[in-house]
Amino acid sequence: DMKVTQMPRYLIKRMGENVLLECGQDMSHETMYWYRQDPGLGLQLIYISYDVDSNSEGDIPKGYRVSRKKREHFSLILDSAKTNQTSVYFCASSPQGRDNQAPLFGEGTRLSVL
Amino acid sequence: KTQVEQSPQSLVVRQGENCVLQCNYSVTPDNHLRWFKQDTGKGLVSLTVLVDQKDKTSNGRYSATLDKDAKHSTLHITATLLDDTATYICVVGDRGSALGRLHFGAGTQLIVIP
Repeated sequence: DMKVTQMPRYLIKRMGENVLLECGQDMSHETMYWYRQDPGLGLQLIYISYDVDSNSEGDIPKGYRVSRKKREHFSLILDSAKTNQTSVYFCASSPQGRDNQAPLFGEGTRLSVL
Repeated sequence: KTQVEQSPQSLVVRQGENCVLQCNYSVTPDNHLRWFKQDTGKGLVSLTVLVDQKDKTSNGRYSATLDKDAKHSTLHITATLLDDTATYICVVGDRGSALGRLHFGAGTQLIVIP
């Protein structure tokens, strides 16, 4: 069953707390992504991972870091969360070597930082 | 600067009516363009992908066109159903492979009423 699973689906944190968002996929896709979606804006790329321990910054990496120790699992970490990191976070995965393959998205994690 | 602009921002139609969503972009290179459907509180699901200089696709009640010279795409939904209520997102890829970057529009929110 091709699926990208995000945990948790909803999260409330206080400013300054650490946040861990988890993403898993069961397709052995090499490439995985973290995006955030804010009202009125298109999805913005935070980080992209091309495989285990091969991660690159996206367009808005400041305040975030990632970890990919297994191909199936990609984590997004917010050290000392800020209120402007309140957003919906999406993880996606995509196979390499197949042109125009649609990325598969998780259902998102809705994060509120108070 | 926003590189993918969608119009209208929102649209209300009656069940059974047809509608057209527009996407204009300035992304270069423009390898492909994809339309996604996002139900409320869910992830993005691919509807169709357009690749050629002047391309057309059809997927059930959804049909799409792309004109790379004009950097313009349309998504047509025929005989709308209540389940078509969603946000439709236009995404331009600058490469065919997963190594390329995806540029997201902010979406058109479609509401279908009885």
